[in-house]
Amino acid sequence: QVQLQESGPGLVRPSETLSLTCTVSGDSMNSSTFSWGWIRQPPGKGLEWIGNIFYGGNTQYNPSLKSRVSISVDMSKNQFSLRLSSVTAADTAVYYCTRLVMVLAARFDFWGQGTLVPVSS
Amino acid sequence: EIVLTQSPGTLSLSPGERATLSCRASQSVSGSFLAWYQQKPGQAPRLLIYGASRRATGIPDRFSGSGSGRDFTLTISRLEPEDFAVYYCQQYGSSLYTFGQGTKLEIK
Repeated sequence: QVQLQESGPGLVRPSETLSLTCTVSGDSMNSSTFSWGWIRQPPGKGLEWIGNIFYGGNTQYNPSLKSRVSISVDMSKNQFSLRLSSVTAADTAVYYCTRLVMVLAARFDFWGQGTLVPVSS
Repeated sequence: EIVLTQSPGTLSLSPGERATLSCRASQSVSGSFLAWYQQKPGQAPRLLIYGASRRATGIPDRFSGSGSGRDFTLTISRLEPEDFAVYYCQQYGSSLYTFGQGTKLEIK
């Protein structure tokens, strides 16, 4: 059973960079079948896709966040990371790391438990 | 950007009843890229249906999905107490994954 676990600072100051890491256990990340990414959910609101990194290192980002987002992967540690720069209070959300299955029909089949990242001074 | 509109916003039903949740897209969506998720308070979303009608691993057969083009439906045939939650539809199109705003299924 694949498990994903987010980690990172519990609070980020406005204008700084939010950095989160997702550790994947139970399977290797090194497969073209899967893509790895991030989805966020502001408190009491809906889900917003942030972006994904694909086998080979290609990335795809939500156009609304593209200028501030970077996703990278470290296969040797079975981890991938999110960086979101110039944050404001609007970036306060629960951040989920996810696995996206690419075969047959695209779907986010495994999710981390989520980590709440407040943006506040 | 394809916008997904879910209805109703809140659905009040009793255990044992049938639930029908709707997801309408602003443009046609490939059925291969339409999925449904269930989210309970304090938990991450859980994949229920993908490819518009395929049940994910471990999902009971009381959950079913249907639809094509712009209109998709999630049906729960006989509600169990654990089914009361928020449900989201999700699509992929134009290099963007988007979610509906959610339908809250509450106990009547």
